[in-house]
Amino acid sequence: NAGVTQTPKFRVLKTGQSMTLLCAQDMNHEYMYWYRQDPGMGLRLIHYSVGEGTTAKGEVPDGYNVSRLKKQNFLLGLESAAPSQTSVYFCASGPAAQETQYFGPGTRLLVL
Amino acid sequence: GQNIDQPTEMTATEGAIVQINCTYQTSGFNGLFWYQQHAGEAPTFLSYNVLDGLEEKGRFSSFLSRSKGYSYLLLKELQMKDSASYLCAVMDSNYQLIWGAGTKLIIKP
Repeated sequence: NAGVTQTPKFRVLKTGQSMTLLCAQDMNHEYMYWYRQDPGMGLRLIHYSVGEGTTAKGEVPDGYNVSRLKKQNFLLGLESAAPSQTSVYFCASGPAAQETQYFGPGTRLLVL
Repeated sequence: GQNIDQPTEMTATEGAIVQINCTYQTSGFNGLFWYQQHAGEAPTFLSYNVLDGLEEKGRFSSFLSRSKGYSYLLLKELQMKDSASYLCAVMDSNYQLIWGAGTKLIIKP
């Protein structure tokens, strides 16, 4: 039981490049989330999903897109990376809206 | 607006007790969570309070007062491995978590 896994662990991008971050969970959770964590700030919700085939915007969705084609996977895409997107990205999953969220190990992204 | 406040940093001694406070102003309330985050790692769940009062779990306890918009996390018999950031998060009326910036706890021998 791996829990929540994220790929890659670390990435360096140049401004304007695109990339996809992959999140996978093996706990059969309906809800999945993408957050970013920046120094001195709380985690901020980018997008989330309440089930396979659904996505919704969070607090800071601009510049990101997501897809949830399979229940166990939640992808976060950056179409044209900007230095402001340098951050640590965490994926989380949970069985229901009001339940505890379980986090992946994070992806550290540096945009030059 | 929605706001979660907690101290930026605290220092305590191994074996002692420390209390980390969290105050909040959110649109709605569906529970308060505490997470622990070691440097470079993922947040891990510690406790959940939805009703007023104290929840005890081993060396860790969490208290909630909804009328005061206040919670604290109490850590007893501090160990060096407790050096970490402690994140307070409130679930709002949309069942989204609003996070504080975290309290970095430094344990000294």
